[in-house]
Amino acid sequence: DGGITQSPKYLFRKEGQNVTLSCEQNLNHDAMYWYRQDPGQGLRLIYYSQIVNDFQKGDIAEGYSVSREKKESFPLTVTSAQKNPTAFYLCASSRWGQGPLGTGELFFGEGSRLTVL
Amino acid sequence: AQSVSQHNHHVILSEAASLELGCNYSYGGTVNLFWYVQYPGQHLQLLLKYFSGDPLVKGIKGFEAEFIKSKFSFNLRKPSVQWSDTAEYFCAVNVMDSNYQLIWGAGTKLIIKP
Repeated sequence: DGGITQSPKYLFRKEGQNVTLSCEQNLNHDAMYWYRQDPGQGLRLIYYSQIVNDFQKGDIAEGYSVSREKKESFPLTVTSAQKNPTAFYLCASSRWGQGPLGTGELFFGEGSRLTVL
Repeated sequence: AQSVSQHNHHVILSEAASLELGCNYSYGGTVNLFWYVQYPGQHLQLLLKYFSGDPLVKGIKGFEAEFIKSKFSFNLRKPSVQWSDTAEYFCAVNVMDSNYQLIWGAGTKLIIKP
């Protein structure tokens, strides 16, 4: 079945450590996105990528980094510079031209919950 | 800054009750509007969307939403809810001069009592 796979589902990190969240999709989508979800708030865009080897900062990119070396993969690194990293992270993808400006249909993974101890 | 407000964070209804979830946005220009739903244990998924044309749009599972431009609203409705409608519902707005960005509401958790 096609879809988006995020791993790990749950992750615990000590302060000062970098962690990388994996996102893989087999939908053949060009565009991929990382969102952060906090209780009582809407999803906020961290980074997005429309094409391999290219990505753009979203609203809250500080303390995060990404790479897009393959079409299928868009890993997110939460660095020690991120002041409040405990959150639920969602990866999404869409077809070229059919993301938020097109059909608006984003396909989401199940999410990764990061807790900083 | 643009924002999206969902007025109720938690809604509890009995089966067969009618549902209306509010969504208001703060932007005067052209927008695309969406409702997404997350059922327990499942992925967030698109419920319905409005781009242009008939302001009353129909989505999956009997849901509909009405775009009222003068009120900056896009409320979600269902005439008779079922226990299986228990989920979290998110309204999102794409501002046409904000490339590839959706502005999300905080979500409404809907619980349907059997």
